[in-house]
Amino acid sequence: SAVISQKPSRDICQRGTSLTIQCQVDSQVTMMFWYRQQPGQSLTLIATANQGSEATYESGFVIDKFPISRPNLTFSTLTVSNMSPEDSSIYLCSVEQSRGTEAFFGQGTRLTVV
Amino acid sequence: LAKTTQPISMDSYEGQEVNITCSHNNIATNDYITWYQQFPSQGPRFIIQGYKTKVTNEVASLFIPADRKSSTLSLPRVSLSDTAVYYCLVGDWMDTGRRALTFGSGTRLQVQP
Repeated sequence: SAVISQKPSRDICQRGTSLTIQCQVDSQVTMMFWYRQQPGQSLTLIATANQGSEATYESGFVIDKFPISRPNLTFSTLTVSNMSPEDSSIYLCSVEQSRGTEAFFGQGTRLTVV
Repeated sequence: LAKTTQPISMDSYEGQEVNITCSHNNIATNDYITWYQQFPSQGPRFIIQGYKTKVTNEVASLFIPADRKSSTLSLPRVSLSDTAVYYCLVGDWMDTGRRALTFGSGTRLQVQP
């Protein structure tokens, strides 16, 4: 199994500012992903965090708005830039230790933009 | 990834068996069926995965008919703590070119005392 520490667990931010969310895993993992979950809704994939290279973004998500870093096999960050109230959501980090294994999720970061 | 359809919500009482069915008519030969559970304010958690027939673990059973176009997650004797959203996912987890998990709308299970 993999234990994921996601920080912060929640934050209230002013519009126009940026927030960086950290995801730390207790073991090296092959795959790391970032999801967004609106209240009462399902999860939507934002991007795949690639080690040592640019993240792969899903349709509707761009690097300028959600820059992602992954400097090694245990750590990644997601930044929500120039925030607006529409960015209020839960952001989740997910990892898979290798292809074909189960995915593990962090507890999520509950972001409120005012 | 194959599209999945499952009921939006279900209600049950403590001690009852709950069966949640997921439809996946376009499942591919290499696809596996996986179920995740999500409690409020937590990330999803893996429950069970199967390819065909029946799979059972300490938490649930997964029934998959021969044509694999549907699957049923069975939770024996549910308790209040089983109140959660249950997601059915279908995909080829070993495919090196695949993207991450794609979540459908899930089934919100409410267990009453």
